Amino acid sequence: DVKVTQSSRYLVKRTGEKVFLECVQDMDHENMFWYRQDPGLGLRLIYFSYDVKMKEKGDIPEGYSVSREKKERFSLILESASTNQTSMYLCASSFGYSGNTIYFGEGSWLTVV
Amino acid sequence: KQEVTQIPAALSVPEGENLVLNCSFTDSAIYNLQWFRQDPGKGLTSLLLIQSSQREQTSGRLNASLDKSSGRSTLYIAASQPGDSATYLCAVDTSYGKLTFGQGTILTVHP
Repeated sequence: DVKVTQSSRYLVKRTGEKVFLECVQDMDHENMFWYRQDPGLGLRLIYFSYDVKMKEKGDIPEGYSVSREKKERFSLILESASTNQTSMYLCASSFGYSGNTIYFGEGSWLTVV
Repeated sequence: KQEVTQIPAALSVPEGENLVLNCSFTDSAIYNLQWFRQDPGKGLTSLLLIQSSQREQTSGRLNASLDKSSGRSTLYIAASQPGDSATYLCAVDTSYGKLTFGQGTILTVHP
């Protein structure tokens, strides 16, 4: 079975801190994604990577950056956390250009105080 | 910009009923459509994927249809069970697996 692992399930950070959310997949997938999920707004794409060191902005990239130094690992970085970044963050991965199942991790609940 | 709408927002049914969840999208230029299930506080589990060239997919008690030209998909759940209670999300893939999601339907199946 495909496994997408998000290293932290629950985090509490202070405003202004730099925050790293880590995601690892074990199926050699080219594509990796970071979404955030908020009540009333649904899931929204933050960043997408289709290969090592390649990245593309999603719908809401402001305040975030990403790093993909190895194929299996995709990190989301909040450069200076703010309270409006309190959310559930979901990592996902998939194989190939399109038409393939997308696998999600269990999610990381981030609270910024 | 692609928009995905799911109706109803919430549904409560007695165990054993057959039910239909609806999903519509505004731009028919999609590669595929996926239905996901999400349990409270958890990630998403893929249920069914329908390629843009397909009309339907089946898995056990689940059947999903796709009418790309009209921008509609339905998820049919047969003989519902309390364990089916969850939020069901549909999402369309516009390229590379970049998904646009609907808001979801919260399903409650009571014994």
